[in-house]
Amino acid sequence: DIVMTQSPRSLPVTPGEPASISCRSSQSLLSSNGYNYLDWYLQKPGQSPQLLIYLASNRASGVPDRFSGSGSGTDFTLKISRVEAEDVGVYYCMHVPLFTFGPGTKVEIK
Amino acid sequence: QLQLQESGPGLVKPSETLALTCTVSGDSIKSSAYYWGWIRRTPGMGLEWIGSIYYSGNTYYTPSLKSRVTISVDTSKNTFSLKLSSVTAADTAVYYCARHTSRSSPWYRGVDVWGQGTTVTVSS
Repeated sequence: DIVMTQSPRSLPVTPGEPASISCRSSQSLLSSNGYNYLDWYLQKPGQSPQLLIYLASNRASGVPDRFSGSGSGTDFTLKISRVEAEDVGVYYCMHVPLFTFGPGTKVEIK
Repeated sequence: QLQLQESGPGLVKPSETLALTCTVSGDSIKSSAYYWGWIRRTPGMGLEWIGSIYYSGNTYYTPSLKSRVTISVDTSKNTFSLKLSSVTAADTAVYYCARHTSRSSPWYRGVDVWGQGTTVTVSS
């Protein structure tokens, strides 16, 4: 079975400061076509999940450029260059081929 | 603008079948570029993919739920539906319908549209 892990599980942040979340897969997500099939989603309080990043590093339409995704193979990172108050919620990475989500990282303002 | 709306009973008895429908508005469910899926969020397990369907009827079910899940599509009504049989309290969750592109293509663009979600409680 695929196991997706995220760290940290809880992340207190200060507005204006950077933040980083790590996601690790038990199997490589690098496809023979050169793409890493990993997504990042944010579920804000009281809302549905929203797509932030697809194929590891591509920002979805409308996502602010303070969000960036990187990584390859089994190790991936979501970075927020300068956290804003509206960025609070639970962040999930997702193994695309099997649609397996990580356990989530709860981001809250200090 | 594409919108997805879940509907169905909010309370289901243990051992019965949970049935939900997702109505697609603003685009045709027969769009060749997209698949239509069901995801749930449970208190204990976070987000869990249930399965997906293409307008032609091809389905994918997550292995842990495969024996209990049926997803179907009705192109005439622009809807797709979820049935989950033999439910227990562990199936209590917020259920979401969503749209995604092909998982295995270079044109994959993520799960880009989600419904607002509907809460289903399993209780007698």
